[in-house]
Amino acid sequence: GQSLEQPSEVTAVEGAIVQINCTYQTSGFYGLSWYQQHDGGAPTFLSYNALDGLEETGRFSSFLSRSDSYGYLLLQELQMKDSASYFCAVFSGGYNKLIFGAGTRLAVHP
Amino acid sequence: GAVVSQHPSRVICKSGTSVKIECRSLDFQATTMFWYRQFPKQSLMLMATSNEGSKATYEQGVEKDKFLINHASLTLSTLTVTSAHPEDSSFYICSARDPGGQTYEQYFGPGTRLTVT
Repeated sequence: GQSLEQPSEVTAVEGAIVQINCTYQTSGFYGLSWYQQHDGGAPTFLSYNALDGLEETGRFSSFLSRSDSYGYLLLQELQMKDSASYFCAVFSGGYNKLIFGAGTRLAVHP
Repeated sequence: GAVVSQHPSRVICKSGTSVKIECRSLDFQATTMFWYRQFPKQSLMLMATSNEGSKATYEQGVEKDKFLINHASLTLSTLTVTSAHPEDSSFYICSARDPGGQTYEQYFGPGTRLTVT
């Protein structure tokens, strides 16, 4: 089966850098995705890593190490609007089934 | 980017009644849509995969007779919660994959908050 572990909560101040880790177990790896969800809102796609290494998109970066079954989401220059839940997710048995981690609630303070 | 809408955004119904939730892809045709359920401060759990023109594929533990899914067109999938009970109260979210986009990216609707009294 599939399972993902990520911290439940992270707190940081505006302008800081925060890293959200995710470890996973899956049979058949199709890549690690990250989604952001504000309270009561829709999850929005942030990034996808299929190969080892770092992917950078503006203030957000995502890293993957397939040998360690580990990835992280790096958020730089934090802003208040970044306060949200962040989910890592893996596909199971192809791209039709996305399994989400429990989510990490990020609180950004002034 | 691709847009997915849901209707209604909130619904309150009495125990024993049925509720239908619509999920539409607004600017693309989605052969596959997905239905998730999310309890407060918890993760999204995939309920079923909806395929246009064929029966939905339900995840283990999801009652297909209780959660009826219909994907009658390439832009519309519906989820009907039949004989709803208070424990069905949850946030229901649909998503879709744009065939012209990245295989790994799903576009999510804004969700429907269902409260069963």
